[in-house]
Amino acid sequence: GQNIDQPTEMTATEGAIVQINCTYQTSGFNGLFWYQQHAGEAPTFLSYNVLDGLEEKGRFSSFLSRSKGYSYLLLKELQMKDSASYLCAVRDNDSWGKLQFGAGTQVVVTP
Amino acid sequence: ETGVTQTPRHLVMGMTNKKSLKCEQHLGHNAMYWYKQSAKKPLELMFVYSLEERVENNSVPSRFSPECPNSSHLFLHLHTLQPEDSALYLCASSQEGRESYYGYTFGSGTRLTVV
Repeated sequence: GQNIDQPTEMTATEGAIVQINCTYQTSGFNGLFWYQQHAGEAPTFLSYNVLDGLEEKGRFSSFLSRSKGYSYLLLKELQMKDSASYLCAVRDNDSWGKLQFGAGTQVVVTP
Repeated sequence: ETGVTQTPRHLVMGMTNKKSLKCEQHLGHNAMYWYKQSAKKPLELMFVYSLEERVENNSVPSRFSPECPNSSHLFLHLHTLQPEDSALYLCASSQEGRESYYGYTFGSGTRLTVV
């Protein structure tokens, strides 16, 4: 199975940078995903890492270290609309790619 | 219509009622999932269907009964639920057997309240 830990809540001001850490302990690993979920809405895909290193996509970047069981999501130039829950998920290496999720980090962006 | 659609968006039911949640995907995916999302807790995997066959059932109480009549539709039949079953129920789909870059596509969920 998987054990996935991420902070419960983080607060930052508009225009700032926030880094959300995720640590995992797995019996199998086939990729790590970050999803964004606004209140009352579906989680939406943000990023995917399967190899070590940094993946950059606009204001959002995600990093993975497989040897350390560690990932982070970096949100730059924060905007009010970035206030949401950010879910870290690890894909198992079974045939249908089951995802195991962390509890989510609620990011609050203040003016 | 595209993506994953769930109905109803909100449902209030008594403990003796029977109701069904519906999920439909228009992405050509061949795996579908039911997850339960409770406040401050990780998404809990309930059921996995791959090629219309149930491949995982995570010790879910029998008062939840899934049905997958074809690769585009997934149902969750509910009966004699308990108040602690109140949660957001999310449906997702994915393409099995491929290194999917996107993982799952989620529906918007059904907010269930058991009274």
